[in-house]
Amino acid sequence: KQEVTQIPAALSVPEGENLVLNCSFTDSAIYNLQWFRQDPGKGLTSLLLIQSSQREQTSGRLNASLDKSSGRSTLYIAASQPGDSATYLCASNNAGNMLTFGGGTRLMVKP
Amino acid sequence: GAVVSQHPSWVICKSGTSVKIECRSLDFQATTMFWYRQFPKQSLMLMATSNEGSKATYEQGVEKDKFLINHASLTLSTLTVTSAHPEDSSFYICSARDSSGYQPQHFGDGTRLSIL
Repeated sequence: KQEVTQIPAALSVPEGENLVLNCSFTDSAIYNLQWFRQDPGKGLTSLLLIQSSQREQTSGRLNASLDKSSGRSTLYIAASQPGDSATYLCASNNAGNMLTFGGGTRLMVKP
Repeated sequence: GAVVSQHPSWVICKSGTSVKIECRSLDFQATTMFWYRQFPKQSLMLMATSNEGSKATYEQGVEKDKFLINHASLTLSTLTVTSAHPEDSSFYICSARDSSGYQPQHFGDGTRLSIL
């Protein structure tokens, strides 16, 4: 059974810093991996989706990488802003087309 | 595109009440819909998967008689929490996928259920 772990569980940084969120998974036979943002009390906003054949995806200040062989993905946020404060979730898509979510990283960017 | 609408966004009701939550795909046909549950400061846990016109497939530990799922059309799935109790209070989120294969799931905004 796939297990997805996110480190750190919480992160507080000053505005302007570049930061990296980590996601690891136990079963490398994934079809894709997705990063989401969740604001308190809200649903999920999809940020980036990386197919298993891809190494990275970029959208604005966000860059996600995928290393299937090592079971890792990272989300890089450049020049962080207070508006980036949220919980970031990664999810792997495995056999059966099911998403398995990590526990999330709660990010606080201080002005 | 690919908008999923979930209604209501917040429900507060007395213990013993049954509550229905709707999940609609607004601009695509959702062959498969998923229902998740999220406790405070925890991640999403899949409760069940429903395919249009078929019975839902429930994850281990989820009571199918407690959480009734109906997916009668390609744009609507409903989750009914029957005889809700305080321990059922949680955040429920649905998602929908528009085809088979490994296409992205599109998520609703969630429903916060509070049982008094």
